[in-house]
Amino acid sequence: DAGVTQSPTHLIKTRGQQVTLRCSPKSGHDTVSWYQQALGQGPQFIFQYYEEEERQRGNFPDRFSGHQFPNYSSELNVNALLLGDSALYLCASSQTGRLTGAGELFFGEGSRLTVL
Amino acid sequence: AQSVTQLDSQVPVFEEAPVELRCNYSSSVSVYLFWYVQYPNQGLQLLLKYLSGSTLVKGINGFEAEFNKSQTSFHLRKPSVHISDTAEYFCAVRVAGGTSYGKLTFGQGTILTVHP
Repeated sequence: DAGVTQSPTHLIKTRGQQVTLRCSPKSGHDTVSWYQQALGQGPQFIFQYYEEEERQRGNFPDRFSGHQFPNYSSELNVNALLLGDSALYLCASSQTGRLTGAGELFFGEGSRLTVL
Repeated sequence: AQSVTQLDSQVPVFEEAPVELRCNYSSSVSVYLFWYVQYPNQGLQLLLKYLSGSTLVKGINGFEAEFNKSQTSFHLRKPSVHISDTAEYFCAVRVAGGTSYGKLTFGQGTILTVHP
């Protein structure tokens, strides 16, 4: 059973460019959340997608946007990249409605973005 | 809003010694509590969680944590550590109930280094 997979694993961009990161959730999961983990920091919640809609959003500007597809996979898009966007971007999936697993997220290994 | 404070940024210990990683949280509503571990260049793995019931929670790899509501703490312990426990550990909270399955608030992390 494949876990959460993310691509690409590493990428380098320059300021002002745009980037798209991709995530495939664990089999059977229908909800995808995205986190940003800056160096030396804990992950910070960006947003969550369920039924192809953004359900919750953290304190991130509109430059950060996302999408969820009918097969539950998801993309994170960041426009007008800033140096401060350099971070590890983590995708996590979960199965909504499973009370026994409430809050348990399965994380991918992340996409490390470097902005020069 | 919720916040999490991990009181130690780094904890060095010798192999087979006991260890405690401290976590305090702040929230005006009931929360679920989690500990995650992150090995170098990997995503986050759930160690244990507290949803309700017994305040002593046992997790994987011999770790356990105790929920103390009066002190708003959720400290992680292991009676005897191994070299392989060297990693970064994150405490996290989520609002209990509702549909906030994806939104975890993380602490800054504690780097546990086990020396031979």
